[in-house]
Amino acid sequence: GQQLNQSPQSMFIQEGEDVSMNCTSSSIFNTWLWYKQEPGEGPVLLIALYKAGELTSNGRLTAQFGITRKDSFLNISASIPSDVGIYFCAGQWDQGGKLIFGQGTELSVKP
Amino acid sequence: DADVTQTPRNRITKTGKRIMLECSQTKGHDRMYWYRQDPGLGLRLIYYSFDVKDINKGEISDGYSVSRQAQAKFSLSLESAIPNQTALYFCATSDTTGVYGYTFGSGTRLTVV
Repeated sequence: GQQLNQSPQSMFIQEGEDVSMNCTSSSIFNTWLWYKQEPGEGPVLLIALYKAGELTSNGRLTAQFGITRKDSFLNISASIPSDVGIYFCAGQWDQGGKLIFGQGTELSVKP
Repeated sequence: DADVTQTPRNRITKTGKRIMLECSQTKGHDRMYWYRQDPGLGLRLIYYSFDVKDINKGEISDGYSVSRQAQAKFSLSLESAIPNQTALYFCATSDTTGVYGYTFGSGTRLTVV
């Protein structure tokens, strides 16, 4: 079945640093989504991508839909303590299909 | 009110007990999902329902059952709870396309002792 590999699994960074994480798939997706889960809460959608090569920003977050359609990247610039949480990627092959989730990247930010 | 409400938020139960986790949504969506989250394993799909008459098993359905009582309500039951079902459980909902992602509840932390 379809699988997503998300890396890194965890990151420990200093406040102010930039962060990069990515997701790769063995098969093509037509939609990529990035979620953030804060402690004690459910995942919340950050960015949605619908076209190969698309680059979309949401404040200090920027995500890209890989040109091969088998990967996606999320960058966070100038991290702050409230960026702490677990970031999940998710992919969808076709409209109406279920989302496939990555294993998550746990981000810790030291003030 | 939250778009997706899960009850209870926390529950401790004993091995062998039957327990039900409840979920309701106000998005008016047809599709609902139950996920389990364990550290390092991400979100694993237990069951999903594309409409009131449609129930499907996910990747880890053994030991669980579900009931879709109405478009807005989808409950998850553990018939005889065991300690390795200790986890964080999430309910989610989406429209029929799913392209706008899923809206998740705040989760139920279940501990089986």
